[in-house]
Amino acid sequence: DAKTTQPTSMDCAEGRAANLPCNHSTISGNEYVYWYRQIHSQGPQYIIHGLKNNETNEMASLIITEDRKSSTLILPHATLRDTAVYYCIVRVAPINNFNKFYFGSGTKLNVKP
Amino acid sequence: AAGVIQSPRHLIKEKRETATLKCYPIPRHDTVYWYQQGPGQDPQFLISFYEKMQSDKGSIPDRFSAQQFSDYHSELNMSSLELGDSALYFCASSLDRTEAFFGQGTRLTVV
Repeated sequence: DAKTTQPTSMDCAEGRAANLPCNHSTISGNEYVYWYRQIHSQGPQYIIHGLKNNETNEMASLIITEDRKSSTLILPHATLRDTAVYYCIVRVAPINNFNKFYFGSGTKLNVKP
Repeated sequence: AAGVIQSPRHLIKEKRETATLKCYPIPRHDTVYWYQQGPGQDPQFLISFYEKMQSDKGSIPDRFSAQQFSDYHSELNMSSLELGDSALYFCASSLDRTEAFFGQGTRLTVV
């Protein structure tokens, strides 16, 4: 699976959009970008994933650059409850036996009042 | 909606003892993953099962073993426990190997 690079930490004001970047310059054509977050020792929570098109769900939007070497997770209106470590994970399509997610270091997002 | 259930939530064991952690996946999910998260560390992949067969293996010590049963629940068995095994252990499940949903974890403390 491709390696990802994320900033160690970011701050965001409550109510503002939080934009979390991720670099995955070695991504292959069949690898998806997944985002998870972990709120203080709770189980990681799935947020969103995509292959090459931008994706949006009730939690967030995922913007993937045209060359797919980087992506941005957008939380449109951050709240204090969004304070967490956000992980960007690149994973091959679930064929054969590629049944694992590798967590990198993640970005600690601090949402401040 | 039903989530991944892990038991017990907390477990205290002494060195050299054995521990068994259980995971009940979301109904109809066919894949189970196990992760270990030490203090201040990121989750580390241990092992996964797809349709009751081991499908992938990560940094799982030889002292650990796991299996998935006919009802799809999974157990992680840990023997000869060491102080360094103290960690959060997460189980996750997915359907058809897509996005994984995690349980709340078991906190294992080895004293």
